[in-house]
Amino acid sequence: QKEVEQDPGPLSVPEGAIVSLNCTYSNSAFQYFMWYRQYSRKGPELLMYTYSSGNKEDGRFTAQVDKSSKYISLFIRDSQPSDSATYLCAPRRGSARQLTFGSGTQLTVLP
Amino acid sequence: DAGVTQSPTHLIKTRGQHVTLRCSPISGHKSVSWYQQVLGQGPQFIFQYYEKEERGRGNFPDRFSARQFPNYSSELNVNALLLGDSALYLCASSLWGYNEQFFGPGTRLTVL
Repeated sequence: QKEVEQDPGPLSVPEGAIVSLNCTYSNSAFQYFMWYRQYSRKGPELLMYTYSSGNKEDGRFTAQVDKSSKYISLFIRDSQPSDSATYLCAPRRGSARQLTFGSGTQLTVLP
Repeated sequence: DAGVTQSPTHLIKTRGQHVTLRCSPISGHKSVSWYQQVLGQGPQFIFQYYEKEERGRGNFPDRFSARQFPNYSSELNVNALLLGDSALYLCASSLWGYNEQFFGPGTRLTVL
């Protein structure tokens, strides 16, 4: 079993839709939960991160972590065509230096 | 400010050859990490270096090696290339290893 499982997609939504991207994980030692966005032919860029359980909002993006069910979500409100990219969840143990990535969900927002 | 730079952008090699990939971190960053991203998958951790010392190693064979230079740039070396080594190799830099990692655009390696 992989440490991090991510809904593979691909996901295609109309502009303005609310998007939900999800991951589950098995390692209860994960404390930091990152979301990266990767445009085609580019390296991943950090979108936002949360520490432990709870919600964090940044503009149109909300990250949610439920440690009891080991479930990670990223919500995008009022999605835009510029949001079209692959989204990667990447939890990390507090003592670890490396990120453990999910396989990514490819999102296309249609104008 | 310049971001993380990697060279070359693309590389084509044949099985059994050796390859060297290069990375320059963001100015002031002392830690460099290497990841392998196979098509359709998320990046997988290979190595992390901080202050020129190896601080972490992922589950990759000994054919993979790396080093960090006094100017904090880094090289990833892969010997005896296999078809399965075809991937995007990403370099990420951070201030000191535990904080935010900034990724470069990657080197796309194709092994024929």
